[in-house]
Amino acid sequence: SQQGEEDPQALSIQEGENATMNCSYKTSINNLQWYRQNSGRGLVHLILIRSNEREKHSGRLRVTLDTSKKSSSLLITASRAADTASYFCATDRSNFGNEKLTFGTGTRLTIIP
Amino acid sequence: DADVTQTPRNRITKTGKRIMLECSQTKGHDRMYWYRQDPGLGLRLIYYSFDVKDINKGEISDGYSVSRQAQAKFSLSLESAIPNQTALYFCATSDLDREGDNEQFFGPGTRLTVL
Repeated sequence: SQQGEEDPQALSIQEGENATMNCSYKTSINNLQWYRQNSGRGLVHLILIRSNEREKHSGRLRVTLDTSKKSSSLLITASRAADTASYFCATDRSNFGNEKLTFGTGTRLTIIP
Repeated sequence: DADVTQTPRNRITKTGKRIMLECSQTKGHDRMYWYRQDPGLGLRLIYYSFDVKDINKGEISDGYSVSRQAQAKFSLSLESAIPNQTALYFCATSDLDREGDNEQFFGPGTRLTVL
């Protein structure tokens, strides 16, 4: 079963707008990670947020984590056509990184030029 | 050069054939993983290995086997391929940093079609 579930499944926005994707999970975690996948290609790691962190930034990316609600959001600001991709959250439930990651089903983001 | 490579990139085979997918990495990571991706189902873990002598089943290991020939090489085999093993297969590697973070690095994928 999937630990993470992304919402929405698909999202289309105009270039320059902000895109927000959400991830919910079921069990306690050590960290939560976001990955991007361009069509048919391998996943690329974007950002990791630990369970004791609430917000993290990396360039145009902002990730929040609410462990009480078991949810995370990924915000991409000032979207570009190159941001068109699928985005996956992945949870690590270990204490010392000994557990494998469990991936969600992904959000397919389309940026309209 | 890519850090994680997979061969072949595409393969079409017939039901009952034995297939091997290979993964090599130059990142020096101890941990390696095999996933399959089906439309709408995200990535599901088939097998993983935390070092050369360690092999673990993932959530969907039935019908698959693996071999960790060296730190840099991790192969996935389908002993007798069946059509519902048609999917996109990914190899990934990871290592723990000092803070225990374990981001994964993915290969480009192998698109396997079983007729």
